[in-house]
Amino acid sequence: NAGVTQTPKFQVLKTGQSMTLQCAQDMNHNSMYWYRQDPGMGLRLIYYSASEGTTDKGEVPNGYNVSRLNKREFSLRLESAAPSQTSVYFCASSELTLGDYEQYFGPGTRLTVT
Amino acid sequence: GQQLNQSPQSMFIQEGEDVSMNCTSSSIFNTWLWYKQDPGEGPVLLIALYKAGELTSNGRLTAQFGITRKDSFLNISASIPSDVGIYFCAGQLMRSSGGSNYKLTFGKGTLLTVNP
Repeated sequence: NAGVTQTPKFQVLKTGQSMTLQCAQDMNHNSMYWYRQDPGMGLRLIYYSASEGTTDKGEVPNGYNVSRLNKREFSLRLESAAPSQTSVYFCASSELTLGDYEQYFGPGTRLTVT
Repeated sequence: GQQLNQSPQSMFIQEGEDVSMNCTSSSIFNTWLWYKQDPGEGPVLLIALYKAGELTSNGRLTAQFGITRKDSFLNISASIPSDVGIYFCAGQLMRSSGGSNYKLTFGKGTLLTVNP
């Protein structure tokens, strides 16, 4: 049982390049989330998917797109990377049934945009 | 967006000391969660609280859901070097309709350093 996995672990991009961050969970959770973590800013929600087939914007969605490929997988795409997107990106999942809102995080992707 | 005020921002303590940190808000929460993040890793869930006044322990960690539903506390007893890391609180807001907003609001974290 791997929990939440993310690929790649590290990535360096040039400004304007595109890439997709992959996330998968094996806990049969309904909901999945993408966060970014910057020094002094805590965790900020980029996009989330409450259930398979739905996605919604979070606090900081500009410059990103997401795809909920199936119940297990939720990808985050940067179409044209900018230096402001240098950050650590975390994927999380949760069961999201009544009374159970605990989110479980992956190990993160460390992205540098030059 | 909604804010959680987490304090202190950082703590430097000696091994064996007890630690206390807290999160407060002007909003009411249905759920409080406490996470720990080791350097280079993702946050790991430590304790989940679901009822006002609830006091829950996990080993040397004890957390409480404030009776007003607007705050939560985490205590670590007899700290050890592996307690080093960033501790985050996270809360789930109560909607005006009385239901839950399933998105979490995170505090900015407390950086704990333990000197052996």
